[in-house]
Amino acid sequence: GENVGLHLPTLSVQEGDNSIINCAYSNSASDYFIWYKQESGKGPQFIIDIRSNMDKRQGQRVTVLLNKTVKHLSLQIAATQPGDSAVYFCAEIRGNGGYQKVTFGTGTKLQVIP
Amino acid sequence: NAGVTQTPKFRVLKTGQSMTLLCAQDMNHEYMYWYRQDPGMGLRLIHYSVGEGTTAKGEVPDGYNVSRLKKQNFLLGLESAAPSQTSVYFCASIPGLAAKETQYFGPGTRLLVL
Repeated sequence: GENVGLHLPTLSVQEGDNSIINCAYSNSASDYFIWYKQESGKGPQFIIDIRSNMDKRQGQRVTVLLNKTVKHLSLQIAATQPGDSAVYFCAEIRGNGGYQKVTFGTGTKLQVIP
Repeated sequence: NAGVTQTPKFRVLKTGQSMTLLCAQDMNHEYMYWYRQDPGMGLRLIHYSVGEGTTAKGEVPDGYNVSRLKKQNFLLGLESAAPSQTSVYFCASIPGLAAKETQYFGPGTRLLVL
């Protein structure tokens, strides 16, 4: 069956350190993957995406790595800041006829220690 | 642009009561979605719409109805609320179906059914 999940439910990092958040998926028939950030009391917010034919994509302070061999996705945040504290979850996207089928992971809570 | 807005932000219902959640977007997006978010679970799709006047069922449609009479609004109705419908509800929209489109989320509606 389909499964988009995360290895760790909570991650605590010191301010200034790098953070790595992981995601495993089981369905390889996907178009692309997205990482979302969700702050307390707010809706999910797009961070970065990566197409299934790519291995790596960089944004501002964030890098997403995709390993299709082991069906693993990771989000790296450089120089983690207190404002990065939030729940992060991955999503697997497949265009499917009339709508975009999205499977969301359960999320990892990132706590930044000042 | 206000983006995606949701009303109300919070509501308490008694079992058997009905209510309607409103989602509005001012970005002229074609596709709109209703999700529910529960602890320990990823976002799950309730219903979606690919355009004005059209709706379709998602993963967990039972107990909910939707309507898309106007392009900018997507309404989610609970005819007879049950405690199992206690959740946080998120609305999302995208301009159209393309592999690179990401979903724009509203701030959420917290619903408590007693």
